[in-house]
Amino acid sequence: AQSVTQPDIHITVSEGASLELRCNYSYGATPYLFWYVQSPGQGLQLLLKYFSGDTLVQGIKGFEAEFKRSQSSFNLRKPSVHWSDAAEYFCAAFYNFNKFYFGSGTKLNVKP
Amino acid sequence: DVKVTQSSRYLVKRTGEKVFLECVQDMDHENMFWYRQDPGLGLRLIYFSYDVKMKEKGDIPEGYSVSREKKERFSLILESASTNQTSMYLCASSAYEQYFGPGTRLTVT
Repeated sequence: AQSVTQPDIHITVSEGASLELRCNYSYGATPYLFWYVQSPGQGLQLLLKYFSGDTLVQGIKGFEAEFKRSQSSFNLRKPSVHWSDAAEYFCAAFYNFNKFYFGSGTKLNVKP
Repeated sequence: DVKVTQSSRYLVKRTGEKVFLECVQDMDHENMFWYRQDPGLGLRLIYFSYDVKMKEKGDIPEGYSVSREKKERFSLILESASTNQTSMYLCASSAYEQYFGPGTRLTVT
């Protein structure tokens, strides 16, 4: 069955450090891929999306993600984290124009 | 910008009450979704709709029903609220990517 896995439940980074959040999707037909961010008590905001083409996609708030077919991965990165980036991040996949699958989320804590 | 609005940010209801959560989108999307989000359980799909008057059960439809009489509006109904339905409810609409509303924090006492 299709699924999305985010192996890290919690991550802590220092402000100014680089960030990489991992996401793997179940292999097979390449889905459309997304990253969302959720601040406490809020809805999910779309950070970026990958449909096809260039495997490095740029998003809002300085985030980028790289699609790697060989690893069935779509990892989210940011070169320098700000305290306001502390939030929960969700990876999602859309298969066959049929159903969305969300990962279980990674909570990011930013140390001053 | 796509806008998805939900009728309430916070709601407190009593056990046994009928509860209506409303969601409105302004992008003419065909697909709309209702999720609930609980700590440690992630997002779970309750129902979705791919057209007016069309609906499909998601992963956890028990205790819920939905209504979609107009394209822009998708309502979630708790027929008889129970304490285990205390949760954050998120509505989304989509063409391909999903756009989410701000959520409704429902407490059933």
